[in-house]
Amino acid sequence: TQLLEQSPQFLSIQEGENLTVYCNSSSVFSSLQWYRQEPGEGPVLLVTVVTGGEVKKLKRLTFQFGDARKDSSLHITAAQPGDTGLYLCAGGSGNTPLVFGKGTRLSVIA
Amino acid sequence: SQTIHQWPATLVQPVGSPLSLECTVEGTSNPNLYWYRQAAGRGLQLLFYSVGIGQISSEVPQNLSASRPQDRQFILSSKKLLLSDSGFYLCARRSQGVTTGGYTFGSGTRLTVV
Repeated sequence: TQLLEQSPQFLSIQEGENLTVYCNSSSVFSSLQWYRQEPGEGPVLLVTVVTGGEVKKLKRLTFQFGDARKDSSLHITAAQPGDTGLYLCAGGSGNTPLVFGKGTRLSVIA
Repeated sequence: SQTIHQWPATLVQPVGSPLSLECTVEGTSNPNLYWYRQAAGRGLQLLFYSVGIGQISSEVPQNLSASRPQDRQFILSSKKLLLSDSGFYLCARRSQGVTTGGYTFGSGTRLTVV
């Protein structure tokens, strides 16, 4: 069974601070995705990474896929209250359903 | 467009009552469709997925069932709800053959069994 462990589970920071959340597994994935979910809504895809070592940037968010394709990180620079939400990572292998981590709940305080 | 429609948005049902949640999708034909359940704002648990009409794979044995009567329709059902069935139910799609593609999620149904 493929599992994805996310850390930390909860994170509360002040506006303007930087943060990193992690997604780790003992399994190799062909792709890894990050989603953000707001209360009462479905998750929204932020990024997909498919190559070991790949780095993608989305404004103040930087995503990295580990060289061995077993882990990923999400770094947010100068966090803003609008970044508040539940961040979920999900790993995929072939056409099988994605495996989701339990998420990191981020709260950015103004 | 890859819009997903889920309804109802919220539902309060007594224990032992039946359930039917419907999900319909727009966009490309023959999508892969998924039902997930999320408890207490945490991770997503895969319940069922379907790669085509009438094809259902179950991930978690329980008193829920799923059906796909049409290409773009995915239904989650129960004959008798349990308290433990409470949660946030999400329908998702992914295009066929896109093995690295992301999921598009519906807006979810909040089910409370009382």
